[in-house]
Amino acid sequence: AQTVTQSQPEMSVQEAETVTLSCTYDTSENNYYLFWYKQPPSRQMILVIRQEAYKQQNATENRFSVNFQKAAKSFSLKISDSQLGDTAMYFCAFLGLETSGSRLTFGEGTQLTVNP
Amino acid sequence: NAGVTQTPKFQVLKTGQSMTLQCAQDMNHEYMSWYRQDPGMGLRLIHYSVGAGITDQGEVPNGYNVSRSTTEDFPLRLLSAAPSQTSVYFCASSPQYYNSYEQYFGPGTRLTVT
Repeated sequence: AQTVTQSQPEMSVQEAETVTLSCTYDTSENNYYLFWYKQPPSRQMILVIRQEAYKQQNATENRFSVNFQKAAKSFSLKISDSQLGDTAMYFCAFLGLETSGSRLTFGEGTQLTVNP
Repeated sequence: NAGVTQTPKFQVLKTGQSMTLQCAQDMNHEYMSWYRQDPGMGLRLIHYSVGAGITDQGEVPNGYNVSRSTTEDFPLRLLSAAPSQTSVYFCASSPQYYNSYEQYFGPGTRLTVT
């Protein structure tokens, strides 16, 4: 079974600074996706960024980028130029295509607070 | 497109009561699923469906039933509510059960069992 671990329950950052959220996972599969979801106080789950395991290039979406280390099974999220609207719970998630179908496995979450 | 809709948004039940959480999507997605979110535990899969008439258990299925009679609807039934089922429930859908990689989430239902 897959497991996803987020070892930072809470983090804070000053507005305009950069912050990195950590995520590690465990799997025996070779074909999978990794995701970061954002959950603001509205409770809505919002996809931030995704990474396909076979792509060596790290995914980037505007101010959000990932550092995908497949051998180390590490998938961190970097937020540049942090904004107040980035305050949210962030979840790392794994989707294995070989055995899990569309079943997402989530980490415990990291509560990020951006301070003015 | 309304996307994924869930009703109700909030619900309070007494122990032993039953109820159904509704989920509907208008995107013609084959795959639908239910998750529960508890503090410090992320989201955990309860049940999922890969198409009308097909359902299967996820990580935490006990105390819940599902059925999928149409592509659009995927209700979650609590047969006899327990305080341990106090949680926030999310429904999600995606285009195909295999090789799909983005799930669309509903707004969630906050359930309290007293």
